[in-house]
Amino acid sequence: ETGVTQSPTHLIKTRGQQVTLRCSSQSGHNTVSWYQQALGQGPQFIFQYYREEENGRGNFPPRFSGLQFPNYSSELNVNALELDDSALYLCASSLTTNTYNEQFFGPGTRLTVL
Amino acid sequence: AQSVTQLGSHVSVSEGALVLLRCNYSSSVPPYLFWYVQYPNQGLQLLLKYTTGATLVKGINGFEAEFKKSETSFHLTKPSAHMSDAAEYFCAVSETTSGTYKYIFGTGTRLKVLA
Repeated sequence: ETGVTQSPTHLIKTRGQQVTLRCSSQSGHNTVSWYQQALGQGPQFIFQYYREEENGRGNFPPRFSGLQFPNYSSELNVNALELDDSALYLCASSLTTNTYNEQFFGPGTRLTVL
Repeated sequence: AQSVTQLGSHVSVSEGALVLLRCNYSSSVPPYLFWYVQYPNQGLQLLLKYTTGATLVKGINGFEAEFKKSETSFHLTKPSAHMSDAAEYFCAVSETTSGTYKYIFGTGTRLKVLA
């Protein structure tokens, strides 16, 4: 069984640019959540996708957007990059949106904004 | 909203000594609680979780945690630290709000193991 994978592993962008991060969920999982982990902080919830629809959002501006595809893989898009967007972005998949279903995390994509 | 507090952003122990990492949570409903470990430049690895049932939970690599409802705590322990335990540890509580299921993480504790 393949776990959660993310690409790319590292990315360097400049302020104002746009970026797309990708996540493949674990087999059989229809729910994907994205988290941002700034340096020295715990991960913070960005949003969640369930069966191709956004299913809740954290305190992040609209320039953070996402997609989920029919195979349940997902993308995180960030427009108009700011220096503070530099962080590790973690994707997590779960069997459903139920609380008792564990979220399985990918290795993350480290984004650096210069 | 639920929250997680991890006391001590940095903890140092000697190799072979007891590891104790503290986590307190606030929750209005019975919580699901997790401990994750993160090694440098890596993602999160689940150490253990509490959902229901036995309050003493055993995890991987010799770690365990005890859910104490009266103290709203879920401290992580290991009897004897190993050099390979040096990493950052995160406590998390799961929350469901308006059908959205997410984790709320603490700010983490960096564990240093001294030879």
